[in-house]
Amino acid sequence: QVQLQESGPGLVKPSQTLSLTCTVSGGSISSGGYYWSWIRQHPGKGLEWIGYIYYSGSTYYNPSLKSRVTISVDTSKNQFSLKLSSVTAADTAVYYCARDRGLGEFWALSHWGQGTLVTVSS
Amino acid sequence: DIQMTQSPSTLSASVGDRVTITCRASQSISSWLAWYQQKPGKAPKLLIYKASSLESGVPSRFSGSGSGTEFTLTISSLQPDDFATYYCQQYNSYSTFGPGTKVDIK
Repeated sequence: QVQLQESGPGLVKPSQTLSLTCTVSGGSISSGGYYWSWIRQHPGKGLEWIGYIYYSGSTYYNPSLKSRVTISVDTSKNQFSLKLSSVTAADTAVYYCARDRGLGEFWALSHWGQGTLVTVSS
Repeated sequence: DIQMTQSPSTLSASVGDRVTITCRASQSISSWLAWYQQKPGKAPKLLIYKASSLESGVPSRFSGSGSGTEFTLTISSLQPDDFATYYCQQYNSYSTFGPGTKVDIK
């Protein structure tokens, strides 16, 4: 059973870059067939899809965040990463990494990490 | 952007009740809709994809229907484990989620 685990700083200063990594176990990113996503949830609020990456490195981002987001993949470490630049307090959220259910349903997210809270504050 | 709305925002129900949650899209999304269940402090769990396809391992009391702009999630007989918040997600044009419907105990 594939498992995902987010890691990274829980506190980021305003204007800096938020960096998170998702480590995948129980399955190989490089085997293909799945898209690897980042989603966030503001405290007490709903969900916001940030973007996804395929093992080949192709990406697709939420247009509202596109100018600040970079998602990358390191198949040798079986990890993918999120960078969000120029953060403000509005970027404070729980950040989740996730994988789709496969079989072409790359938006239906069946496997999720536990989530990590990132607070933007000086 | 495709906007998603859900109704009601909160629903109070009892064990055994039939529960229906509605999700509406601001424009047609065909059947590109998923439903998730989220409990406090936990990640969302996929219940339904492509509007009506039940995810593997999800109890059959959950069902989804609809197409175009109006969709429903139905729980045929509410169980104690079902008290949670439910989100719809459209993926016709990138992806956006609805604001959620909290199902609590009456």
